[in-house]
Amino acid sequence: KQEVTQIPAALSVPEGENLVLNCSFTDSAIYNLQWFRQDPGKGLTSLLLIQSSQREQTSGRLNASLDKSSGRSTLYIAASQPGDSATYLCAVTTNAGNMLTFGGGTRLMVKP
Amino acid sequence: GAGVSQTPSNKVTEKGKYVELRCDPISGHTALYWYRQSLGQGPEFLIYFQGTGAADDSGLPNDRFFAVRPEGSVSTLKIQRTERGDSAVYLCASSGGQGTSEQFFGPGTRLTVL
Repeated sequence: KQEVTQIPAALSVPEGENLVLNCSFTDSAIYNLQWFRQDPGKGLTSLLLIQSSQREQTSGRLNASLDKSSGRSTLYIAASQPGDSATYLCAVTTNAGNMLTFGGGTRLMVKP
Repeated sequence: GAGVSQTPSNKVTEKGKYVELRCDPISGHTALYWYRQSLGQGPEFLIYFQGTGAADDSGLPNDRFFAVRPEGSVSTLKIQRTERGDSAVYLCASSGGQGTSEQFFGPGTRLTVL
């Protein structure tokens, strides 16, 4: 059974810092990996999708990498802003089905 | 519409009652998913539709939970004899196809069972 873990569970940084969020998964046989943002009381916003054949994806200040063989992904946020404060979730789609298996999320606070 | 919509946004019910939660996927998306999110946790898969049929319902916790998608578009998640432990945010997502397609989520329905 696929298990996804995110470290750290919570992170507080001053504005302007570059930061890295970590995601690991136990079964390397994945189709893709998605990073999401969730604001309090809201749904999930898709940030980046990495196909299993890709190594990384970039969108603005965000860069996500994928090391499928080691079961790891990182989300890099450059020059963090208070508006980046939210919970970040990673999720994988496995060969066993099309559903997403989620990690527990990293709750990020960027202080002005 | 432009995105996935879910109604109601909030639902408060009493233990033992029946509830229906609705999801309108992105127009043209063939795949539809239901997830459940408890406070402080990541969403957990419930059921996945490809077209009108339930391709995978392995995440439904018990037979009180049932979902339909009769015309391959709108889906309804039905919960019978609700229990306090059913309280959670129920999220719906849709995608354009199988496997590699990106999933887009609705805002969720917050269900509270008193």
